Amino acid sequence: SFELTQPLSVSVALGQTARIACGGNNIGSKSVHWYQQKPGQAPILIIYRNTNRPSGIPERVSGSNSGNTATLTISRAQAGDEADYFCQVWDSSVLFGGGTKLTVL
Amino acid sequence: QLQLQESGPKLVKPSETLSLICTVSGDSISTSTYYWAWIRQPPGKGLEWIGTISSRGTTYYNPSLKSRVTISLNTSENQFSLSLTSAADTAIFYCASVAPYGHIDYWGQGTLVTVSS
Repeated sequence: SFELTQPLSVSVALGQTARIACGGNNIGSKSVHWYQQKPGQAPILIIYRNTNRPSGIPERVSGSNSGNTATLTISRAQAGDEADYFCQVWDSSVLFGGGTKLTVL
Repeated sequence: QLQLQESGPKLVKPSETLSLICTVSGDSISTSTYYWAWIRQPPGKGLEWIGTISSRGTTYYNPSLKSRVTISLNTSENQFSLSLTSAADTAIFYCASVAPYGHIDYWGQGTLVTVSS
């Protein structure tokens, strides 16, 4: 069965660029979606169909997807970006990655 | 703009059936292009998809839970429900809407269901 692999944690300095990977066999052939979840809150959609931002999501948040890795990029990282991030695909079912905790130093 | 709200018991005994309802506003669940989903999250852990139901009532379940899960529509109340037998794990349960491209663009606030005797 298809699996999504994310690093448990990523750290980024304030103002720098964070990249969070989501690995899967030939994931580039699938649509990948990304969610941000802060403590005590429901997840929110921040990227859909690999590269699209819902309204209200800033342009410094972007996504890409090629080969065996999809990547969420957060530029000019802010303290408010500290959260858990989950990737997701549809592969005969809704499938989530294990999640990555982003720490802004 | 869709709004979803979970409701149901917050405490369930082990091996009993967990039942939750999701009330949807802002769209008709029987005619919508959305699919309707249940997702759970043990405290401090990741997200696990439980299952999805279409506006026509077609269901799709997580294979690991399929034997224990039933999701159904109540179109007269604009609600959909979850029944999970043999409850074992405490988790936050979310109801959500799945857009045609497979992404989840609206989530309920989540409800913590504790499994304990």
